[in-house]
Amino acid sequence: RKEVEQDPGPFNVPEGATVAFNCTYSNSASQSFFWYRQDCRKEPKLLMSVYSSGNEDGRFTAQLNRASQYISLLIRDSKLSDSATYLCVVSLDNYGQNFVFGPGTRLSVLP
Amino acid sequence: EAQVTQNPRYLITVTGKKLTVTCSQNMNHEYMSWYRQDPGLGLRQIYYSMNVEVTDKGDVPEGYKVSRKEKRNFPLILESPSPNQTSLYFCASLGRGRGEKLFFGSGTQLSVL
Repeated sequence: RKEVEQDPGPFNVPEGATVAFNCTYSNSASQSFFWYRQDCRKEPKLLMSVYSSGNEDGRFTAQLNRASQYISLLIRDSKLSDSATYLCVVSLDNYGQNFVFGPGTRLSVLP
Repeated sequence: EAQVTQNPRYLITVTGKKLTVTCSQNMNHEYMSWYRQDPGLGLRQIYYSMNVEVTDKGDVPEGYKVSRKEKRNFPLILESPSPNQTSLYFCASLGRGRGEKLFFGSGTQLSVL
C-alpha cells in the first residue's frame, strides 16, 4: 500500500465549479500536512498547510481528519488558472527527510 | 530573491557517460534534498543532506551520488547513467523553523539514451 494516496483523476470541471480532492495517508504518526500545486513539468509550490482545525485561504479550504487519516482540499468557484496537478504531502515532522508526496491529482478547468 | 537554482533544465546523454546536475540555494538552509518524479509515482527522495558533510540515502538512492562540501551547494552525480534514470529531477531546500516550506528548483528533465 502506498504511504500517501490520492484520487487518481484527472478532474475536468467547468469554470465556476466546486471541486474536492481527497488524500489518505498510512502512517498514523504523521504530524504535518500540506497541499502543493504543480504546473506541468514545473516545480511544486506550496498551496497551503493543513491544520487540525481546518483552514481556509480564499477559495481554497483544507480539512484534516486524523482519526480517518484523511486530508481534503476544496476549491470553490474554480478558475482556468487553477488547472494544475495537486499534490498531497505528509510529514512525520518538520524535517524534510520525512516528507512523503502523493502521486497527485490533475485538475483541468474548462471554459 | 530567495531561490533554489538548478542546472541544467534539460539534459540528454548516453548510457554510461558521467553527469552532474547542480543545485544551489541562497537562503542559508541547512537541509537540502534531491527528488525524482515519474508518472504515477509522485516525487521520490533520492538523497538528502541535513548539513555540510552530512548526507543520507532517501528511498531510491541506487545509481546516484551526492556531496555537500558547502552549505549552499548540493550536486547530484550520476557516475554511469542508465535509461531507467530518465526522469524529471528536483532539488529542494528547507528552513528549520516551524511551518517552513520546501523550496524547489525549477527541475531538470534528464533523458538517458
